[in-house]
Amino acid sequence: QVQLQQSGPGLVKPSQTLSLTCAISGDSVSSNIATWNWIRQSPSRGLEWLGRTYYRSKWSYNYAVSMKSRMTINPDTSKNQFSLQLNSVTPEDTALYYCARGGGRGLAAFDIWGQGTMVTVSS
Amino acid sequence: QSALTQPASVSGSPGQSITISCTGTSSDVGGYNYVSWYQQHPGKAPKLMISDVTDRPSGASDRFSGSKSGNTASLTISGLQAEDEADYYCSSYTSSGTWVFGGGTKLAVL
Repeated sequence: QVQLQQSGPGLVKPSQTLSLTCAISGDSVSSNIATWNWIRQSPSRGLEWLGRTYYRSKWSYNYAVSMKSRMTINPDTSKNQFSLQLNSVTPEDTALYYCARGGGRGLAAFDIWGQGTMVTVSS
Repeated sequence: QSALTQPASVSGSPGQSITISCTGTSSDVGGYNYVSWYQQHPGKAPKLMISDVTDRPSGASDRFSGSKSGNTASLTISGLQAEDEADYYCSSYTSSGTWVFGGGTKLAVL
């Protein structure tokens, strides 16, 4: 079955870059059906969709307006994974970060989630 | 993009039915049949329960159903069980090509 395995540091200093990776098994990052998303959760903001990448003859990217200037999602076909980079982090970026598959099984929803990575922004 | 509006909490007794609402705008809930619902138990990742407003993916209990009227979507859970006690979130695709979530509803099974 499809699984997503997240990795990355749990502590990042303010103004630095948050980097997380989501390894895919049972599906392909180059799928013509699925999208690959980053979502975060915090007590103050609840669940917040951050952005996605997907392949439909070429790679496409969508980002939440609030994140567009600081965020990059990169697919890595050689390792069948995708990553999140969030620049210039502040304590407000402290959250539980999830990767999730969208569009799987043709569903307009996030049907597979990673285990989550708690990221704390603190000096 | 503002979060979708959900009640903070709902409660019900075992065997009863409850409904959770999710209100958005014509730019999200009302404009697309791309509303989904997620169940989240403490310390766990969200689990998809309903997609595309009414579709129940394999693995989701048939006691869960979804509907939509105008800018408001609803999740109904029938025959409440203790294991249904969790947080529930709605989500919708938006006209900006992004996704938005609701603030979440805590379900208590009394």
